Amino acid sequence: GQNIDQPTEMTATEGAIVQINCTYQTSGFNGLFWYQQHAGEAPTFLSYNVLDGLEEKGRFSSFLSRSKGYSYLLLKELQMKDSASYLCACMDSNYQLIWGAGTKLIIKP
Amino acid sequence: GAVVSQHPSRVICKSGTSVKIECRSLDFQATTMFWYRQFPKQSLMLMATSNEGSKATYEQGVEKDKFLINHASLTLSTLTVTSAHPEDSSFYICSARLEDETASLHFGNGTRLTVT
Repeated sequence: GQNIDQPTEMTATEGAIVQINCTYQTSGFNGLFWYQQHAGEAPTFLSYNVLDGLEEKGRFSSFLSRSKGYSYLLLKELQMKDSASYLCACMDSNYQLIWGAGTKLIIKP
Repeated sequence: GAVVSQHPSRVICKSGTSVKIECRSLDFQATTMFWYRQFPKQSLMLMATSNEGSKATYEQGVEKDKFLINHASLTLSTLTVTSAHPEDSSFYICSARLEDETASLHFGNGTRLTVT
């Protein structure tokens, strides 16, 4: 079956670095997405990886290893506004998104 | 960037009435739009895939007659919750797929539906 796993909750300190991991098993693979969702709001697009390696975009970076079925989202210089849920989603062979349950990130001063 | 507008953002209705939610892609054409439902502290649940000019594809367990989806143009999809009940109260979110190399989804801001 298809499955996306990511930690339920993580806590980090303002100014620090945090890595949110995601492992996946899907029927085919057409890319992996990371979305940020603040409570009560719709998700916003953060990154897309379809090739192995690291994609850097400002304070956020996303890594993909297709052979390992593994991705991570790296957040640097954490700010209080980064407190949110981070959703990992894989696009399968039918171009449908399979969603993880999300990781709630709590930032402490 | 790609913008998806969803309206209304909040709606309160009485049991037995119907509510229509609109989802528009403002600066791109979306042949495919998706409708999600999200309960508090839970991930998105895909309800249906809406394809322009054809019938929507519903996920297992989603009632077609209760959640009517119409995708009449390349920029507009609507979700109508018919004969709403309190258990239909939820956060409904639409998304549209960008037809480029990323095929990324861009989300509307969501609609908070409360049925009294």
